[in-house]
Amino acid sequence: DAGVIQSPRHEVTEMGQEVTLRCKPISGHDYLFWYRQTMMRGLELLIYFNNNVPIDDSGMPEDRFSAKMPNASFSTLKIQPSEPRDSAVYFCASGSSAYNEQFFGPGTRLTVL
Amino acid sequence: GNSVTQMEGPVTLSEEAFLTINCTYTATGYPSLFWYVQYPGEGLQLLLKATKADDKGSNKGFEATYRKETTSFHLEKGSVQVSDSAVYFCALSTDSWGKLQFGAGTQVVVTP
Repeated sequence: DAGVIQSPRHEVTEMGQEVTLRCKPISGHDYLFWYRQTMMRGLELLIYFNNNVPIDDSGMPEDRFSAKMPNASFSTLKIQPSEPRDSAVYFCASGSSAYNEQFFGPGTRLTVL
Repeated sequence: GNSVTQMEGPVTLSEEAFLTINCTYTATGYPSLFWYVQYPGEGLQLLLKATKADDKGSNKGFEATYRKETTSFHLEKGSVQVSDSAVYFCALSTDSWGKLQFGAGTQVVVTP
């Protein structure tokens, strides 16, 4: 299995631009999680889905952030408009209700200038 | 609310030294406890877990015991290698599935 796939691995953009991060979970997994990691705040859960349905988005920082999961094999995290304080590494993770473990992707390093 | 507290890093030690990373938690109910490891430039990987009191999780020479009386889940390894250099995260979950509450992470640097 290829594991959780994220794209792009690196993204540099200018303030005000729209940013879309993509995630392909491991086939057969029914949970998907989006995290943000910064030096100041550590690892934060933004949102998670079960069977493509958002379950808890209380970690989404503000309305500029949105996430979708149109099918079991794809999810996006969108920031519009982006701001410098959104600079972070964004991780996607997937898991199965059959066992209590999350598998993380390699992350997308976002830099907003 | 739930929280996880880890010892601050970086922890620097020589190869073959003994490693301990302290982790304590506050949680309602009976959480499951985890240690994740993050190697440079990579995502987190599950290192070990324990789901009930007195359980011991172990993997790759690392061990941690779920201590309910002290609300702790300290990570230990008897003889570290340079390849163990990474950031280690303690985490808990009180859901049957779902949210993980992570600690701040502890960077470990092992020198030859």
